[in-house]
Amino acid sequence: QKEVEQDPGPLSVPEGAIVSLNCTYSNSAFQYFMWYRQYSRKGPELLMYTYSSGNKEDGRFTAQVDKSSKYISLFIRDSQPSDSATYLCAMSDNKLIFGAGTRLAVHP
Amino acid sequence: NAGVMQNPRHLVRRRGQEARLRCSPVKGHSHVYWYRQLPEEGLKFMVYLQKENIIDESGMPKERFSAEFPKEGPSILRIQQVVRGDSAAYFCASSPERRELFFGEGSRLTVL
Repeated sequence: QKEVEQDPGPLSVPEGAIVSLNCTYSNSAFQYFMWYRQYSRKGPELLMYTYSSGNKEDGRFTAQVDKSSKYISLFIRDSQPSDSATYLCAMSDNKLIFGAGTRLAVHP
Repeated sequence: NAGVMQNPRHLVRRRGQEARLRCSPVKGHSHVYWYRQLPEEGLKFMVYLQKENIIDESGMPKERFSAEFPKEGPSILRIQQVVRGDSAAYFCASSPERRELFFGEGSRLTVL
């Protein structure tokens, strides 16, 4: 079993849709949880960073962490074509472990 | 503020040659990480360094690969006697406090 599981997609949605991206993990020692966005042939860009269970909102993005279920989510509201990218969840105790990434396509 | 700078962005080597990848972290960041990404795959941790020290190299192959982060100058990831399986994108990241990481644009190694 991988430490971090993430559905690779691809996920295709129409512009304006709400997108839900999810990861599960097995290591209860993980304390920090992040979401990165990676455009094709670019470096990952940090989107959201959370420490505890609960919700964190930043503009159209909401990150959710449920430590009891070992489950994290990223919601994107009013999705735009510019949101088309690969989204990587990541979590850390001493080093950052990444999920495989979910490829998202938002079509006009 | 400049972000993480990696060079070269693209590197082509023949089998058996050496590849050297450089990474200058964000100014003031003392934690540097190297990750490898194969096409259509996530990022795989290789090594974590602080100035002059290797903290965790559990993800780095035991042979042919080495990394350093000297007191002065960039961090270097060195791959000796490259093989075709080393072809990948290598990303460097830096962090101020060993938490959220800020990534460079990557160095893409192609081994012929």
